[in-house]
Amino acid sequence: EDKVVQSPLSLVVHEGDTVTLNCSYEVTNFRSLLWYKQEKKAPTFLFMLTSSGIEKKSGRLSSILDKKELSSILNITATQTGDSAIYLCAEISGGSNYKLTFGKGTLLTVNP
Amino acid sequence: NAGVTQTPKFRVLKTGQSMTLLCAQDMNHEYMYWYRQDPGMGLRLIHYSVGEGTTAKGEVPDGYNVSRLKKQNFLLGLESAAPSQTSVYFCASSAEVEIYGYTFGSGTRLTVV
Repeated sequence: EDKVVQSPLSLVVHEGDTVTLNCSYEVTNFRSLLWYKQEKKAPTFLFMLTSSGIEKKSGRLSSILDKKELSSILNITATQTGDSAIYLCAEISGGSNYKLTFGKGTLLTVNP
Repeated sequence: NAGVTQTPKFRVLKTGQSMTLLCAQDMNHEYMYWYRQDPGMGLRLIHYSVGEGTTAKGEVPDGYNVSRLKKQNFLLGLESAAPSQTSVYFCASSAEVEIYGYTFGSGTRLTVV
């Protein structure tokens, strides 16, 4: 059973649209949740979320954690073709405070 | 401008051949990891190390071996490659995961025919 579940698995939008990507995680000894963006090569770090209700922002991207719902969302406003990528969510939990468990990712395609 | 360096970047193997993937980091990180990424499967942990001389199994360790003889290097070995090991392999390292997350290498695309 997957510990970190992302939805949707893929999404196609037009430039200028706003998108919301979802990530749900297991509750057992949750510590932090991370978002990464992966284009053609290695994933690059976007956000780390530890506290519920505190929004992290970077330009057109923002993310928030909801510990009650055991979930996080990643919002991208005014999407651009350069936002096309796989977005990965990962959890740090339990005693393994040095391991990330990744979801399967959301493939976002932004068409001009 | 180093960070995490993986070699080789691409490789084609025949079934039954062996090879070693090298991961080198110059950030003095304690923790190092090997993941594989397959379409629709996300990143799955193969093996990891929490310090020089230590290794541990991850989620999908079968068919792989690892060694961490030096702090800066983490080697992933395939003794007898199988087509099911066709994948993109990522190495990552970290000092404090909860503060900095991982730093990833650029990946190795391995095809086993």
